[in-house]
Amino acid sequence: DVKVTQSSRYLVKRTGEKVFLECVQDMDHENMFWYRQDPGLGLRLIYFSYDVKMKEKGDIPEGYSVSREKKERFSLILESASTNQTSMYLCASKTGAVGTEAFFGQGTRLTVV
Amino acid sequence: KQEVTQIPAALSVPEGENLVLNCSFTDSAIYNLQWFRQDPGKGLTSLLLIQSSQREQTSGRLNASLDKSSGRSTLYIAASQPGDSATYLCAVSNTGNQFYFGTGTSLTVIP
Repeated sequence: DVKVTQSSRYLVKRTGEKVFLECVQDMDHENMFWYRQDPGLGLRLIYFSYDVKMKEKGDIPEGYSVSREKKERFSLILESASTNQTSMYLCASKTGAVGTEAFFGQGTRLTVV
Repeated sequence: KQEVTQIPAALSVPEGENLVLNCSFTDSAIYNLQWFRQDPGKGLTSLLLIQSSQREQTSGRLNASLDKSSGRSTLYIAASQPGDSATYLCAVSNTGNQFYFGTGTSLTVIP
């Protein structure tokens, strides 16, 4: 089975802190994604990566950056956390082939106080 | 930009009932559509993936259909059980890699 693992289930951070969310997949997938999920807004794509060191902005990249130094790991970085970044963050991965299934991690509930 | 709508937002049914969840999308030029289940506070679990060339997919008590030309998909759950209670999300992909999500249908199956 594909396993996508996010490093934390729950995080509480202070405004202005630099925050790292880590995601690791064990199936050698080329593509990895970061979404945030908010009530009434659904899942919105922040960034995705289709290869090591490659990244593309999604719909809401402002306030975030990403890093992909190894194929299995995709990190989301909040440079200076703000309260409006309190949300559920979900990582996903899939193969690079078009039209294949996406697999998600268990989510990280981030609260910025 | 692709927009995905799921109606109803919430649904309660008695145990044993068959039910249908709906998903509609505005741009019919999709590669595929995927249905997910999400339990409270958890991540998404993939249920079914339908390619654009397919009309339906089945897994156990679940059957998903796709009518690409009309921009609609349905998820049929047979003989519902309390363990089916969760939020169900559909997602469509226009590029074959990125997905656009609906806001989900919250299902409660009453014992």
